[in-house]
Amino acid sequence: GAVVSQHPSWVICKSGTSVKIECRSLDFQATTMFWYRQFPKQSLMLMATSNEGSKATYEQGVEKDKFLINHASLTLSTLTVTSAHPEDSSFYICSALLTTGTGNEQYFGPGTRLTVT
Amino acid sequence: LAKTTQPISMDSYEGQEVNITCSHNNIATNDYITWYQQFPSQGPRFIIQGYKTKVTNEVASLFIPADRKSSTLSLPRVSLSDTAVYYCLVGALSSASKIIFGSGTRLSIRP
Repeated sequence: GAVVSQHPSWVICKSGTSVKIECRSLDFQATTMFWYRQFPKQSLMLMATSNEGSKATYEQGVEKDKFLINHASLTLSTLTVTSAHPEDSSFYICSALLTTGTGNEQYFGPGTRLTVT
Repeated sequence: LAKTTQPISMDSYEGQEVNITCSHNNIATNDYITWYQQFPSQGPRFIIQGYKTKVTNEVASLFIPADRKSSTLSLPRVSLSDTAVYYCLVGALSSASKIIFGSGTRLSIRP
């Protein structure tokens, strides 16, 4: 099946610094990718939809200037958490949309654990 | 986007069949039903997908009644490794539709 990778798998950073997370579709091209955030014992919360070659669409309540998304190619989307604070510590998961003859299938990455100290 | 309702948690024992039901009363004509499994600190993993009646693969079966307002994921002979959170999602496949996750069902399997 289709594979989506994320890098890094975990990262620890100091408060006030920025962190970039990469999401790659390894064996297919994805015009659309999604970014989710998940806090402990909670469900995944959609943050934004990333479209190749255009601006990302953010969900209500997600600050676009804080969570910068760049989808520069059909296999790579990046999420940059700017000026990170401890409350940004979370598990970030991306997914990529694979277009098939019958529709679209969504494949998820393994997630990135961000800890801000 | 159709909203889904699932039990918050379920318990069972190894070797038993587990059925998790999901309600989606306002499912649209073009919507498919997809189930994902998630282990702690991992991304969701696709289990099964269907539109109507019954779908079966090597790990699970999905039962969808004629009115499609609910669906049941059936896991045959569960093992301890099936302990995870299971999400039922509803959405169209004909466009780049985003998936909104509900609360999921936390399944615990005991020896």
